[in-house]
Amino acid sequence: EVQLVQSGAEVKKPGESLKISCKGSGYSFTSYWIGWVRQMPGKGLEWMGIIYPGDSDTRYSPSFHGQVTISADKSISTAYLQWSSLRASDTAIYYCARSRTGDYWGQGTLVTVSS
Amino acid sequence: DIQMTQSPSSLSASVGDRVTITCRASQAISNYLAWFQQKPGKAPKSLIYGASSLHSGVPSKFSGSGSGTDFTLTISSLQPEDFATYYCQHYDSYPYTFGQGTKLEIK
Repeated sequence: EVQLVQSGAEVKKPGESLKISCKGSGYSFTSYWIGWVRQMPGKGLEWMGIIYPGDSDTRYSPSFHGQVTISADKSISTAYLQWSSLRASDTAIYYCARSRTGDYWGQGTLVTVSS
Repeated sequence: DIQMTQSPSSLSASVGDRVTITCRASQAISNYLAWFQQKPGKAPKSLIYGASSLHSGVPSKFSGSGSGTDFTLTISSLQPEDFATYYCQHYDSYPYTFGQGTKLEIK
């Protein structure tokens, strides 16, 4: 069974750093892209970027390029989304999804940034 | 970036109805289009990829069509569990983008 399991909810202060994770299981982790999607409170889905764990090829939406870093550790079948300096506007649920078509999704990680 | 525009933004329908949601791309994307269903407080679920191919386990009451710039998602015989928000997303070229969503509500 394909599963993507994301790390738990985070509460951070503005300016802090954060790295959230998405662990894949039940399939060959290095053979499928993993994408990240943001959903701000009460809003729609926004595509952030995608990584191919097999060779770490990474693509970003211009809206998020330079704001976040996407990475993966294929030895532990885990993809990451990280911020070096959080803002209040980063408060959202972040989802990972497998493949270009988003065939399987993680359960989401709620990130709250507040002073 | 390719812009995806869904219509309508919201839709009221009754149990048993058949509804159609439209998604238009700002430029041709061949058939590189997916549809997702999201219920409140839940992660999105894949319904359709390749514009018309059903994801495994998705009932045949869901169907998709289109190519190029114009696409539709049709849901037949609406049941209470179908009332949700639906999103289209292209994956033709980077960056991928989503439509703004269509909220399907019970009339």
